[in-house]
Amino acid sequence: GAVVSQHPSWVICKSGTSVKIECRSLDFQATTMFWYRQFPKQSLMLMATSNEGSKATYEQGVEKDKFLINHASLTLSTLTVTSAHPEDSSFYICSARDGGTTNYEQYFGPGTRLTVT
Amino acid sequence: GENVEQHPSTLSVQEGDSAVIKCTYSDSASNYFPWYKQELGKRPQLIIDIRSNVGEKKDQRIAVTLNKTAKHFSLHITETQPEDSAVYFCAAGVNDYKLSFGAGTTVTVRA
Repeated sequence: GAVVSQHPSWVICKSGTSVKIECRSLDFQATTMFWYRQFPKQSLMLMATSNEGSKATYEQGVEKDKFLINHASLTLSTLTVTSAHPEDSSFYICSARDGGTTNYEQYFGPGTRLTVT
Repeated sequence: GENVEQHPSTLSVQEGDSAVIKCTYSDSASNYFPWYKQELGKRPQLIIDIRSNVGEKKDQRIAVTLNKTAKHFSLHITETQPEDSAVYFCAAGVNDYKLSFGAGTTVTVRA
């Protein structure tokens, strides 16, 4: 149980285009999902916290107009990188909490590797 | 906000020896401390976690200790095996809120 999927697993796009990444909780309802970015050989940096039915909370320094987050259902959150540039190339990982438990564990998706050319 | 520091950044151990990774945190409100193992290009995997009402937790070869007063917690891996080679991250958070991660420790187990 507690499986989180992401799609796509990797994507290459041209500079100036937008890319959407989906994060799904497959067997539980996720009231809260988190989006992270990880550059090579670095740690996970939280970008935003996504709550179902409400606006996402962005971390300091993360442009909310560039990284659009939508959490329209209890099993799906999306991250759209708008007007992507080469410096946005990174490994994007989502995680989700099972809202039906008192467990604090975050379940991570497999990640999406974005390359902007 | 929470600041988590992790040491060492790299750790090389002989197979069968123990490995210890240490983390400190700044926010006294933090009460949840998970440890993750991440292999190259893969998702982080939870290996053990501890809440602040417990001082130590063990799961087979892995143990975590927490000192709330000093605001530090440690991961102990005994009888290391080559498959333990990976990057390990500590994290700290308040309840089910967001996590702050340490910078990571690259562990290499020499056969």
